[in-house]
Amino acid sequence: GAVVSQHPSWVICKSGTSVKIECRSLDFQATTMFWYRQFPKQSLMLMATSNEGSKATYEQGVEKDKFLINHASLTLSTLTVTSAHPEDSSFYICSASWTGRDTQYFGPGTRLTVL
Amino acid sequence: AQSVSQHNHHVILSEAASLELGCNYSYGGTVNLFWYVQYPGQHLQLLLKYFSGDPLVKGIKGFEAEFIKSKFSFNLRKPSVQWSDTAEYFCAVNAHNYGQNFVFGPGTRLSVLP
Repeated sequence: GAVVSQHPSWVICKSGTSVKIECRSLDFQATTMFWYRQFPKQSLMLMATSNEGSKATYEQGVEKDKFLINHASLTLSTLTVTSAHPEDSSFYICSASWTGRDTQYFGPGTRLTVL
Repeated sequence: AQSVSQHNHHVILSEAASLELGCNYSYGGTVNLFWYVQYPGQHLQLLLKYFSGDPLVKGIKGFEAEFIKSKFSFNLRKPSVQWSDTAEYFCAVNAHNYGQNFVFGPGTRLSVLP
C-alpha cells in the first residue's frame, strides 16, 4: 500500500517553456503532499508543502511564482515549472502523507532537463 | 532550525562486511527518525523508522538502527552487507513541532564490492 506515482518520469524542454509534473497517490488519500528537489549526488531539499484545497507553503528561497503548486484533490498535486531555464534542470520528487501519519511515501521522481 | 548530518559521504565495503552509517541531528525536542534508501534508478524507500519506545528498531532487509537520545544520533547498522545493498542512504528527521516536514541528511553512498 501507499503508492505514489509521478508523471512524466523524464522530460526535456526548451528554455522559456513551462513544464507540469503530476504527483498522484494511488491507493490512499493524501491530505498533504511535499515537493522536493534533488541535485546530483546531493540530498533532497524541500521546496514546498501543500495541503489539499489550500495554498502551498514554500520554503525560504523557493520562488512561488516560478514553481506553481496545485493540490486540487486528495490524490493529485501538480508542480509547474514556469519559464524554465537550464538551472532548473534537476530531479523533482514528490511525497505524500495523510493527517495523523508521520511517514511520507515517495514518488519515483521526475528528471527535468532544460535545454 | 533542524539539521541532519551523516558522517560519511561514500562508504565502500566488501560483501559480508558489517555496516554502520552515522546520523546526527540538531533539535532538542521530540523527533521522529527515519532511514530511507534509494537504489540506483529507483525511488526512495523507507527502511525503518523510530517514533517512540524501544530505541533499537528493526527494518526491512536486515537493517536496524539505534536511537541514542543523549547523542542525538540514529545510526544505521547491518551485520553483513550484500552487493544488492549498494545504494544511497538518507537519514531524515521530523520534529514534532514542525508538522509533517522532514529534514534530510546529505546522504551516504554505499558501494558493496562482490
